Amino acid sequence: DSGVTQTPKHLITATGQRVTLRCSPRSGDLSVYWYQQSLDQGLQFLIQYYNGEERAKGNILERFSAQQFPDLHSELNLSSLELGDSALYFCASSVEMGGPNEKLFFGSGTQLSVL
Amino acid sequence: AQKITQTQPGMFVQEKEAVTLDCTYDTSDQSYGLFWYKQPSSGEMIFLIYQGSYDEQNATEGRYSLNFQKARKSANLVISASQLGDSAMYFCAMREGPSGGSNYKLTFGKGTLLTVNP
Repeated sequence: DSGVTQTPKHLITATGQRVTLRCSPRSGDLSVYWYQQSLDQGLQFLIQYYNGEERAKGNILERFSAQQFPDLHSELNLSSLELGDSALYFCASSVEMGGPNEKLFFGSGTQLSVL
Repeated sequence: AQKITQTQPGMFVQEKEAVTLDCTYDTSDQSYGLFWYKQPSSGEMIFLIYQGSYDEQNATEGRYSLNFQKARKSANLVISASQLGDSAMYFCAMREGPSGGSNYKLTFGKGTLLTVNP
């Protein structure tokens, strides 16, 4: 158990809908990262928050947004969902902002299926 | 150009034997970190081992060791005494960024599916 909690584990929804994925980082970790894993794209970095502020952005669509709350949990909001958004979404956390030797600990992921 | 290349889509190994999973990387940064993660069929990503670019010794964690060859830009994972539970997808990843900077993103390879046969 990595200590990173993601809910829900599975989510099935329809095109055009909006969903929210939730992540609680490991106790004491200030950084939260979101990754998307799909068969064709592999693991893609979406966005990073550190202590409530956005720190880095990757290949995140404009339809997607995220935030980190004062208690350090984070939510990833996906709107106007398309079939291609079906993927495994991971949250990860690290203690600090993410130096080259900082380990990332991943949650078990949320499997999103858009029908 | 790909930052992380894992050339073996799939590998097979007999139980109790050693196996090497290949990983090459591309970066112009002096300071970077290399990681290996394991993803079993259940889906979670499990951290295995880390190697820093300035580390002179190869990293080891139990049955896992990282064969770091800096000049060749390779960071191969060696699993000794394979077990059936080692069957999983293995990802090599690199964290790079400006020295002293704060935004180091982790880039993953495509992964290698390891199957351990009894």
